[in-house]
Amino acid sequence: AAGVIQSPRHLIKEKRETATLKCYPIPRHDTVYWYQQGPGQDPQFLISFYEKMQSDKGSIPDRFSAQQFSDYHSELNMSSLELGDSALYFCASSAHSLGDEKLFFGSGTQLSVL
Amino acid sequence: DQQVKQNSPSLSVQEGRISILNCDYTNSMFDYFLWYKKYPAEGPTFLISISSIKDKNEDGRFTVFLNKSAKHLSLHIVPSQPGDSAVYFCAASDNTDKLIFGTGTRLQVFP
Repeated sequence: AAGVIQSPRHLIKEKRETATLKCYPIPRHDTVYWYQQGPGQDPQFLISFYEKMQSDKGSIPDRFSAQQFSDYHSELNMSSLELGDSALYFCASSAHSLGDEKLFFGSGTQLSVL
Repeated sequence: DQQVKQNSPSLSVQEGRISILNCDYTNSMFDYFLWYKKYPAEGPTFLISISSIKDKNEDGRFTVFLNKSAKHLSLHIVPSQPGDSAVYFCAASDNTDKLIFGTGTRLQVFP
């Protein structure tokens, strides 16, 4: 069965650079979530989109922005990268309109900021 | 402020025995609870969930128990298998759909 696809799997950037992470949800899933997991920490909710509109916002820095496109894929844009942004970034999707609250996660993008 | 807590960072269980992972929450608005399993370098994988209208849900070797009055849930795995060795996250949601994760418990099942 198709899963959530994230790209790239690994990304190395330097301080003050920008990064774009992509997420392709499971087909027919209408909601996308972004999470950040630092080393040894639990995943922290960043932002979510339902039907291409931002539905909820968590601890996402102002330097980050995200959007969901007409094909339901989502991109997380990160600017002025800082060392503390090094983390594993997960995307998840769900079929919210079908009343299914389960989130299915991608394998994540490991971002290293040097 | 950690709304979902897993107080045991690690658990070691012999193969064939029962594994019990615990989770406590503080937000009484949470109405849906999930357990995820995570291997290194992979995303969390959904295991089992329970709605607040139930106190037990079973799926094969996995059973989740919910005690709303105590704001406590637990995941029972029986019999435990070496392939169950992973980090287990408890997660909760209210009507906003996003999940709030616990800090995780690393389960090691040894032969």
